Amino acid sequence: DSGVTQTPKHLITATGQRVTLRCSPRSGDLSVYWYQQSLDQGLQFLIQYYNGEERAKGNILERFSAQQFPDLHSELNLSSLELGDSALYFCASSVAQNNSPLHFGNGTRLTVT
Amino acid sequence: DQQVKQNSPSLSVQEGRISILNCDYTNSMFDYFLWYKKYPAEGPTFLISISSIKDKNEDGRFTVFLNKSAKHLSLHIVPSQPGDSAVYFCAASEDGNNDMRFGAGTRLTVKP
Repeated sequence: DSGVTQTPKHLITATGQRVTLRCSPRSGDLSVYWYQQSLDQGLQFLIQYYNGEERAKGNILERFSAQQFPDLHSELNLSSLELGDSALYFCASSVAQNNSPLHFGNGTRLTVT
Repeated sequence: DQQVKQNSPSLSVQEGRISILNCDYTNSMFDYFLWYKKYPAEGPTFLISISSIKDKNEDGRFTVFLNKSAKHLSLHIVPSQPGDSAVYFCAASEDGNNDMRFGAGTRLTVKP
């Protein structure tokens, strides 16, 4: 158990809809990261937050947004969903901003129909 | 833009033998490298890391080697065990950052 909690585990929704994925980091970790893993592909970095502030941005679409709240949990919002957004979305946390292993949750599997 | 590449999608080895997983990177600014292991229906689990000031780091049966001039790292597992069967990802990040870039993964199968 990594200590990182992601909800929900599975999500099935229709094209055009909006969903929110939730992540609670390990106790004491200030950094939260979001990654997307499409079928048989590696993990694509989306965005990182540190203590509530956006720290780094990767290949995140404009239809996607995220935030980290004062209690350090984070939400990833995906809107105007397309079939190609179907993927596993992982949240990870780390204690420091650099040279610190990421600890991953078990992911949210999103299926867009 | 694949900055981290794992060119072997799969690897099969016999129990007790050595498993060698390879990873190449293109970004010379990377200075922190990690290996993760992933089982089905779980998130990746951190395995071992190495910073660019070293060329080798060992933790039990796992050793990571870094060749900066070749922009290449490898993970050696000796001896391999059936429980090591999983997908292995290498990852890298730049100095001062922690937004890691991951390879596509190599599926290791260790046969009894």
